[in-house]
Amino acid sequence: GAVVSQHPSRVICKSGTSVKIECRSLDFQATTMFWYRQFPKQSLMLMATSNEGSKATYEQGVEKDKFLINHASLTLSTLTVTSAHPEDSSFYICSLRGAANYGYTFGSGTRLTVV
Amino acid sequence: QQQVKQSPQSLIVQKGGISIINCAYENTAFDYFPWYQQFPGKGPALLIAIRPDVSEKKEGRFTISFNKSAKQFSLHIMDSQPGDSATYFCAASQETSGSRLTFGEGTQLTVNP
Repeated sequence: GAVVSQHPSRVICKSGTSVKIECRSLDFQATTMFWYRQFPKQSLMLMATSNEGSKATYEQGVEKDKFLINHASLTLSTLTVTSAHPEDSSFYICSLRGAANYGYTFGSGTRLTVV
Repeated sequence: QQQVKQSPQSLIVQKGGISIINCAYENTAFDYFPWYQQFPGKGPALLIAIRPDVSEKKEGRFTISFNKSAKQFSLHIMDSQPGDSATYFCAASQETSGSRLTFGEGTQLTVNP
């Protein structure tokens, strides 16, 4: 159980365009969703947390208008990087947590390259 | 208070040896301590986790030792294999309140054949 599907695994986009990353829970209802960013050889940095039925809470220093998070349903969360710039190039990872089970299940990550 | 400090930053072990990674935390409200394994280009995968009501948990070659009074916990990998070469992250959270995971800085483990 507790399977999370994250797509796409890799994306290359031009500077100034927007990119959407999807994260789906396949076998449980995710009441809380987390989005992380990871730079090479570094730890995971939490960007935002979203709970069912409420807007995402962003960490200090994360631009909410640039990184749009939609907790569309109990099985789907999306992260849209708007007007992407080369410095947004990173590895983005979602993590979902259900109400009934403890633990945090991670997606497989999305490598974003902005050229 | 939210920090989790992890050491060493990198570790090289011979095949068959024991790999030991240590973490220390400050927030006594943390009640869930997982270890994650991450391969390049992949998301973290839960390896093993412990809660503060026990001092040790073993799953196969992986053991967590937990010292509540010292606010420290460690991962031991017995009979380390080249396939164990990966980055390992410790983490902690107040799971019962649904809070986020606080991650350690990570340890790059290399197991030489």
